[in-house]
Amino acid sequence: DQQVKQNSPSLSVQEGRISILNCDYTNSMFDYFLWYKKYPAEGPTFLISISSIKDKNEDGRFTVFLNKSAKHLSLHIVPSQPGDSAVYFCAARDGTASKLTFGTGTRLQVTL
Amino acid sequence: GAGVSQSPRYKVAKRGQDVALRCDPISGHVSLFWYQQALGQGPEFLTYFQNEAQLDKSGLPSDRFFAERPEGSVSTLKIQRTQQEDSAVYLCASSDLAGGPYNEQFFGPGTRLTVL
Repeated sequence: DQQVKQNSPSLSVQEGRISILNCDYTNSMFDYFLWYKKYPAEGPTFLISISSIKDKNEDGRFTVFLNKSAKHLSLHIVPSQPGDSAVYFCAARDGTASKLTFGTGTRLQVTL
Repeated sequence: GAGVSQSPRYKVAKRGQDVALRCDPISGHVSLFWYQQALGQGPEFLTYFQNEAQLDKSGLPSDRFFAERPEGSVSTLKIQRTQQEDSAVYLCASSDLAGGPYNEQFFGPGTRLTVL
């Protein structure tokens, strides 16, 4: 049972445009959500997070939106840059556990 | 280096062999996690240590998998009698505070295990 879902395996966006990556979850106990970025042959690196008490968190070009009623979150990257090309994982944590539950990832390709 | 390191980076094993994967967390990090990432999937939780105590091993897929962190620093994930389905990237992560739900986990580069 996939508790965190990323339904788009890949996304291609032109440089300078907005990239929107989506994530859905089913476990209502999740109260903290994270996005990780992964380059080939490297481990995931933390990008941005959001607590369930908020609906938006912004850090430079990256903004995460959380819609608790829809159990949906999205990552917006504006403007997209070629260096953003990577696999992006959505992850979630419930308050009673320290482990992360990951989605299957979305491969973002930013083209010139 | 200041990051999480893992060794070996690549391991090829024949089916039935035992393997040991090592993780060196960031110095001073209390919490240590192991994840398994199969091809085309996201990382899946295996086990969690707080210092030397293994607090959660609910993700270990079978009793062939064993993890330890005897001195609360370096950790080893051991897989006995490897099977082809064990082929995956094994990721280690550490974080610096105990028990907090919002602490960032820093990941190592992983060990890619291929079982022939």
